[in-house]
Amino acid sequence: DAGVIQSPRHEVTEMGQEVTLRCKPISGHDYLFWYRQTMMRGLELLIYFNNNVPIDDSGMPEDRFSAKMPNASFSTLKIQPSEPRDSAVYFCASSLRTFADTQYFGPGTRLTVL
Amino acid sequence: RKEVEQDPGPFNVPEGATVAFNCTYSNSASQSFFWYRQDCRKEPKLLMSVYSSGNEDGRFTAQLNRASQYISLLIRDSKLSDSATYLCVVNEGTGGFKTIFGAGTRLFVKA
Repeated sequence: DAGVIQSPRHEVTEMGQEVTLRCKPISGHDYLFWYRQTMMRGLELLIYFNNNVPIDDSGMPEDRFSAKMPNASFSTLKIQPSEPRDSAVYFCASSLRTFADTQYFGPGTRLTVL
Repeated sequence: RKEVEQDPGPFNVPEGATVAFNCTYSNSASQSFFWYRQDCRKEPKLLMSVYSSGNEDGRFTAQLNRASQYISLLIRDSKLSDSATYLCVVNEGTGGFKTIFGAGTRLFVKA
């Protein structure tokens, strides 16, 4: 298996632009997670899905952030409009059956908002 | 008080040394625990799960103390390749699932 796939790997954009991050989880995994990592705040869970349904989005920082999972093999995290403080590494992870299972992380998207 | 706390380090140790990290958590109802490893500019990867009875994987030993609400990681015979950030992870499952990562402990193993 190719593991969790994320694209793009790097994104540089200007303040106010829309940013879309993409994730393909490991096939057969029921859970998908989006995280954000910064030096100041560490790794934070933004939202997670179970069988394509958003379960908890309490970690999403603002209404500018939205996430979707239209099918079992694809999810997006969108930021609109983007701000410099959104600059971070965004990770997607998936796990097999329950929240207690190992989470497998993608390589991350390094986002820079100028 | 943070939900999951770790000593950020860095821990600087020579090759062959034994080093231990602790991680405390605030929610007594936390259900599962893990140690992840993260190399510089890479994604976190599972190092090992932490079981109530304690568990060992080669040079690595993990322990859970529910009474005192902490988990530990012991690395014996440190290798240069052990240099990384070690993240403590706690899953809370009451009233909804929540995964909390500690800020990580940095380890440098020197020749």
